[in-house]
Amino acid sequence: EDKVVQSPLSLVVHEGDTVTLNCSYEVTNFRSLLWYKQEKKAPTFLFMLTSSGIEKKSGRLSSILDKKELFSILNITATQTGDSAVYLCVGLLNGQNFVFGPGTRLSVLP
Amino acid sequence: NAGVTQTPKFQVLKTGQSMTLQCAQDMNHEYMSWYRQDPGMGLRLIHYSVGAGITDQGEVPNGYNVSRSTTEDFPLRLLSAAPSQTSVYFCATNGGGGANVLTFGAGSRLTVL
Repeated sequence: EDKVVQSPLSLVVHEGDTVTLNCSYEVTNFRSLLWYKQEKKAPTFLFMLTSSGIEKKSGRLSSILDKKELFSILNITATQTGDSAVYLCVGLLNGQNFVFGPGTRLSVLP
Repeated sequence: NAGVTQTPKFQVLKTGQSMTLQCAQDMNHEYMSWYRQDPGMGLRLIHYSVGAGITDQGEVPNGYNVSRSTTEDFPLRLLSAAPSQTSVYFCATNGGGGANVLTFGAGSRLTVL
């Protein structure tokens, strides 16, 4: 069975801290891994990772994929209260088959 | 550009009632899908469509019907609502090809009493 696992499931930090969110996957016919941010509404796209070892960056957020060890990390530096959200890791398999992890709920305290 | 529009945003039903969640997109995407999101679980695929006239079941299709008569619209029907269908529902589209990224609607929160 295709599976995406995220850890931790919940995390509380203070503004300015750096956090690392983990995602591991066991899927067949892997194509890409995606990260989404979900606040109190629809998930919004952050990154798509297809190749190992190539870091994607957007401001204070960055992510990297290791296809040999089947995991990805999402880093957020100098966290702000606006980073509080659920972060979803998603595996894209063959065709248009997406497998979602349960999400990591990040709370950033002022 | 509206993207993906879902209606209604909130709905309360009694057990046994039927209703339709509407989803419309203006991105000319062939792929459309419906997910439900429950606490502590990832989004789970209910039904999807790869184009007008073509639909297929996802992971949790029981109790739901879909149809795709146009590229733009993909309604989700609950035939006889049950409390287990209390959830947040998201419609999503995907442009496919090199842009294999799901774009979500704002969500519909459904409560079945």
